[in-house]
Amino acid sequence: EAQVTQNPRYLITVTGKKLTVTCSQNMNHEYMSWYRQDPGLGLRQIYYSMNVEVTDKGDVPEGYKVSRKEKRNFPLILESPSPNQTSLYFCASSFDGFYQETQYFGPGTRLLVL
Amino acid sequence: AQSVSQHNHHVILSEAASLELGCNYSYGGTVNLFWYVQYPGQHLQLLLKYFSGDPLVKGIKGFEAEFIKSKFSFNLRKPSVQWSDTAEYFCAVNAGTYKYIFGTGTRLKVLA
Repeated sequence: EAQVTQNPRYLITVTGKKLTVTCSQNMNHEYMSWYRQDPGLGLRQIYYSMNVEVTDKGDVPEGYKVSRKEKRNFPLILESPSPNQTSLYFCASSFDGFYQETQYFGPGTRLLVL
Repeated sequence: AQSVSQHNHHVILSEAASLELGCNYSYGGTVNLFWYVQYPGQHLQLLLKYFSGDPLVKGIKGFEAEFIKSKFSFNLRKPSVQWSDTAEYFCAVNAGTYKYIFGTGTRLKVLA
């Protein structure tokens, strides 16, 4: 089944404790992206990757890192999480990110930073 | 900077009522426009998209949207909503780059 998976689905952590949220897709998509969803703010793009080893910042990259060493995986790293990073995070992928392509979204990861 | 506005944050309708959700974007060049839907407990999924051609686009589940370039709008419509349309709806814009801008979303509740 074609899908985007994220792990963990729920995470409670404390300020400053490094964490990684994994994202994997099995559709051989070139483009992958991370979003955060906050009430009243909608989805905001954090980082995206056009292909292996090619990443760029979205609108809200502060406090996040990403890497794309393999085509199928695009982990989101929070080196020193803070409470303002409490949010619902979505990973998405598409064949390529240009123009018309539909993005396929993962199930979301709900993060609480205490 | 590009932006997307969804003016209706919460909409409550009775079944069989007609639906129109507004979406306006700010960008003067060529854009690609999307409506995504998030049903309760499910993944975000594409409803419809526009990139060129006929400005009236038809999507899944009876939804359609009209691109009006002069108004920078891409409003979503459905002639008769069902209880199963209860969801959150997001308008999104891609201005020919790898970046996507999403609106703040509209929560639709359809009363049976």
